Amino acid sequence: SQTIHQWPATLVQPVGSPLSLECTVEGTSNPNLYWYRQAAGRGLQLLFYSIGIGQISSEVPQNLSASRPQDRQFILSSKKLLLSDSGFYLCAWNTGAGYGYTFGSGTRLTVV
Amino acid sequence: AQSVTQPDIHITVSEGASLELRCNYSYGATPYLFWYVQSPGQGLQLLLKYFSGDTLVQGIKGFEAEFKRSQSSFNLRKPSVHWSDAAEYFCAVVNNAGNMLTFGGGTRLMVKP
Repeated sequence: SQTIHQWPATLVQPVGSPLSLECTVEGTSNPNLYWYRQAAGRGLQLLFYSIGIGQISSEVPQNLSASRPQDRQFILSSKKLLLSDSGFYLCAWNTGAGYGYTFGSGTRLTVV
Repeated sequence: AQSVTQPDIHITVSEGASLELRCNYSYGATPYLFWYVQSPGQGLQLLLKYFSGDTLVQGIKGFEAEFKRSQSSFNLRKPSVHWSDAAEYFCAVVNNAGNMLTFGGGTRLMVKP
């Protein structure tokens, strides 16, 4: 069966520090991968999506970047965190329009 | 561009009462529609989805939703709410290519004992 792993579950980082959040999917190949952010009290915003290794599309200009070094690995990064980067980050995958998205359990990032 | 509107930010219902959460979408073609639930501090769990066929779809936990093309709506319903249903609910639409899932702003459901 397919599973999605996201870590860490919580993270507290100082302003200006780097960030690396990792997401991996098991049990499927060539998935579409996504990073969403949910700011406190707000809905979900698509940050990045990837349809293949090395293929990243950015939906919102920001202080973050994403990479897909392997087929089932999706990494969200920042060189210098801002206070406004705080939020709940969710990774998700799907394999096409006919299938729903499956979400990871999320990472709560607090920038202090 | 596709969009989803959930008009109700907060809804409070008594346990055992019926529930309807509203969702309106905007999409040029036949939409693929979803409802997700998010418990506090958790990821999103898929409740149900509509791709085609019967416009009344059944989901998990006793939820159902009805697709109404004429009203561009996909409202979520449950005949009798349980305290454990308290959570945030998100309606979403995906494009036909499947690579753009757009969420509504969410509706936070509170259940009174």
